[in-house]
Amino acid sequence: GAVVSQHPSRVICKSGTSVKIECRSLDFQATTMFWYRQFPKQSLMLMATSNEGSKATYEQGVEKDKFLINHASLTLSTLTVTSAHPEDSSFYICSARRGRPGDTQYFGPGTRLTVL
Amino acid sequence: DAKTTQPPSMDCAEGRAANLPCNHSTISGNEYVYWYRQIHSQGPQYIIHGLKNNETNEMASLIITEDRKSSTLILPHATLRDTAVYYCIVRYPTGANSKLTFGKGITLSVRP
Repeated sequence: GAVVSQHPSRVICKSGTSVKIECRSLDFQATTMFWYRQFPKQSLMLMATSNEGSKATYEQGVEKDKFLINHASLTLSTLTVTSAHPEDSSFYICSARRGRPGDTQYFGPGTRLTVL
Repeated sequence: DAKTTQPPSMDCAEGRAANLPCNHSTISGNEYVYWYRQIHSQGPQYIIHGLKNNETNEMASLIITEDRKSSTLILPHATLRDTAVYYCIVRYPTGANSKLTFGKGITLSVRP
């Protein structure tokens, strides 16, 4: 299967700071990338969908000004959690897909964010 | 809305086949059935997908009923490393509904 990487794998930050998470598709060009969030003992919740060169589409209830998504190239998307607070502590997972209909969506290993 | 229903959990003995059921009675004609799994504290791993025909790869087999209202993921020889949450998801190939929406999945525990 295709490889998707994330960096960092875990990050601890102070309340009020911003944190950037990178997602890369290593062996394919990803027209579409997705960001998910997962709280303990819960399932993955889709936060937003981004297409290369376009603005991200956010799911209902997700603050676009708080979770900034950039998909500037076909292999890189970034998620910036601005002014992080303890309630933003979660497991953030990115996913990537080529642009062809029916293409499989592949996931990164996830980033554990802890906000103190 | 959850488009699939799965039992919350099941277990099987190591070395035996694990048959994981999934109901998707409202599936549309061109929606695919996807299976992913998530091992603790990792990102989901793609397993297999299908539309109408049964599918097999090096990881598993997918059996889809003729009416497409249910499917079964088969891990032919389960190992301890197969212990994970398994998600059955239906998805359109294109368009706004082509994103993957995760339900609660089924927790498979493989016992020695």
